[in-house]
Amino acid sequence: NAGVTQTPKFQVLKTGQSMTLQCAQDMNHNSMYWYRQDPGMGLRLIYYSASEGTTDKGEVPNGYNVSRLNKREFSLRLESAAPSQTSVYFCAAGNGRLYEQYFGPGTRLTVT
Amino acid sequence: RKEVEQDPGPFNVPEGATVAFNCTYSNSASQSFFWYRQDCRKEPKLLMSVYSSGNEDGRFTAQLNRASQYISLLIRDSKLSDSATYLCAGTNSGYALNFGKGTSLLVTP
Repeated sequence: NAGVTQTPKFQVLKTGQSMTLQCAQDMNHNSMYWYRQDPGMGLRLIYYSASEGTTDKGEVPNGYNVSRLNKREFSLRLESAAPSQTSVYFCAAGNGRLYEQYFGPGTRLTVT
Repeated sequence: RKEVEQDPGPFNVPEGATVAFNCTYSNSASQSFFWYRQDCRKEPKLLMSVYSSGNEDGRFTAQLNRASQYISLLIRDSKLSDSATYLCAGTNSGYALNFGKGTSLLVTP
């Protein structure tokens, strides 16, 4: 089992460009999450999906949109990238009631 | 103020030593807590889950003190391979977690 996979691993964007970060899990977990991690700031929740068909904002949702395509897939879209969105993005899958979360390998995004 | 606070360290300890990290939380409604380990440029990996007063797994012991609102992680007989950043997390609403910024541990020969 691959667990949680993310694509791409690295990406460089110019300001104003758009892109979608993909995340998929084969753990059969209901909940999925997108975090960003910046030096000195720790992990901050962008959006999450407690179950298929639902999404909710986290701590830092501005500038992002998400889609819970099905139980396995949860994508994060940057419509108009800004340098402040330069970060490492982690997707996670969670087993709901137990709250345990399992992370993907991350996407390193640079916006110039 | 973050809901989960950790001493960033770094903690430098010799191989074989015992080291303890504390993590304080402000959300008294948090029910469950977790310790994650994160290696440089890698994803966080779940180390221990704490649902009641504590948990033990080999050289690692986690304790939860609800009255004082802190969670500790004790590592006995430190190994060089324990060098990493340790993240504390507590539950929020909607199955979300609040993470601390992490504590850096360096185990030296």
